[in-house]
Amino acid sequence: DAGVIQSPRHEVTEMGQEVTLRCKPISGHDYLFWYRQTMMRGLELLIYFNNNVPIDDSGMPEDRFSAKMPNASFSTLKIQPSEPRDSAVYFCASSLWPTGASSYNEQFFGPGTRLTVL
Amino acid sequence: AQSVTQPDIHITVSEGASLELRCNYSYGATPYLFWYVQSPGQGLQLLLKYFSGDTLVQGIKGFEAEFKRSQSSFNLRKPSVHWSDAAEYFCAVGAGEYGNKLVFGAGTILRVKS
Repeated sequence: DAGVIQSPRHEVTEMGQEVTLRCKPISGHDYLFWYRQTMMRGLELLIYFNNNVPIDDSGMPEDRFSAKMPNASFSTLKIQPSEPRDSAVYFCASSLWPTGASSYNEQFFGPGTRLTVL
Repeated sequence: AQSVTQPDIHITVSEGASLELRCNYSYGATPYLFWYVQSPGQGLQLLLKYFSGDTLVQGIKGFEAEFKRSQSSFNLRKPSVHWSDAAEYFCAVGAGEYGNKLVFGAGTILRVKS
């Protein structure tokens, strides 16, 4: 399998523009996660989906951020309008449904999208 | 709320020397604990995880970690470091359903001297 695929790998945009980040999870995985990594705040979970349904979006910073998962093989994270403080590396990760009540399945991370908002 | 503290921002060790990276967590229930590694420009890779049972867990690349409930710690160790181990290491606690909500520490950057 190709692993989690993210596009674009790098994005440079100007303040006020709309930005869309894309993610293709590993085929067959049930969960999809979006994370943001910054120097100031480290790695933060923004939102995660189970079987295409958003389960927890409490990490989404504000209404300018939205995420969708229209099908099992594709998700987007959109920022509209973008601001310089949104500059970060955005990671997508996916995992399988746990096999038991006390189990956990590894989250496989994509290579990330480095977003720069000027 | 859950939190993870990695007190060392940078650590430098000589190749072949032993390594211990510290991690302390705050979590009300039995924690799901993880160590991830991130090489420059790459995503994160899981080194090892702990849910229950044996408090000493083995991971990939020769790493191990020990869960100490009394100290709320989950330190990562490796007996002999290789130059390829230079990377950033993140400790995380999993909260929520099946531990899916990962809360990461700030990370420790490991430099290996030859």
